[in-house]
Amino acid sequence: DGGITQSPKYLFRKEGQNVTLSCEQNLNHDAMYWYRQDPGQGLRLIYYSQIVNDFQKGDIAEGYSVSREKKESFPLTVTSAQKNPTAFYLCASSMDRLYNSPLHFGNGTRLTVT
Amino acid sequence: QKEVEQDPGPLSVPEGAIVSLNCTYSNSAFQYFMWYRQYSRKGPELLMYTYSSGNKEDGRFTAQVDKSSKYISLFIRDSQPSDSATYLCAGGGYGQNFVFGPGTRLSVLP
Repeated sequence: DGGITQSPKYLFRKEGQNVTLSCEQNLNHDAMYWYRQDPGQGLRLIYYSQIVNDFQKGDIAEGYSVSREKKESFPLTVTSAQKNPTAFYLCASSMDRLYNSPLHFGNGTRLTVT
Repeated sequence: QKEVEQDPGPLSVPEGAIVSLNCTYSNSAFQYFMWYRQYSRKGPELLMYTYSSGNKEDGRFTAQVDKSSKYISLFIRDSQPSDSATYLCAGGGYGQNFVFGPGTRLSVLP
């Protein structure tokens, strides 16, 4: 079945540690995205990538980093510089960003930093 | 003013009712609109994807877009307890990233 796999489902880290969230898709989509979801707020875009080896900052990129070395994979690193990292992180992909193809989401990673 | 606004609810309806969920947006460049259903601790699931103004129907779901008033709606007919979830709307324009509303929590009571 085609889809987006995020791992792990739950992640616990101590303050000051970097942590990497995994996102893999087998939909053959060109574009991939990372969103953060907090209670009562809409999905906020962290980073997006339209093609391999290219990525752009979204609305809240500070304290995060990404890479896009393969079409299928778009890992997100939450660095110690992110002031409030505890949140639900969602990865998405779409066939094409320019023409607003619909986004398909994974089931998320809940990160808790103490 | 946020680009996409939704009443957060919660909205409670009896089983079998017609549900109306609504969003307003401010960006005139939006031409593409989406509705998602999100269950607790899960990722959003795409329900409807529409372009420009008009209606689109899929089973019990109807999406309606009125670009003149910048208003989008999702109607759910014969609502079921399994429809209890948070519903997210989103709008986007050519070359722009989609902007999401905060979601409306729906509870369908048996």
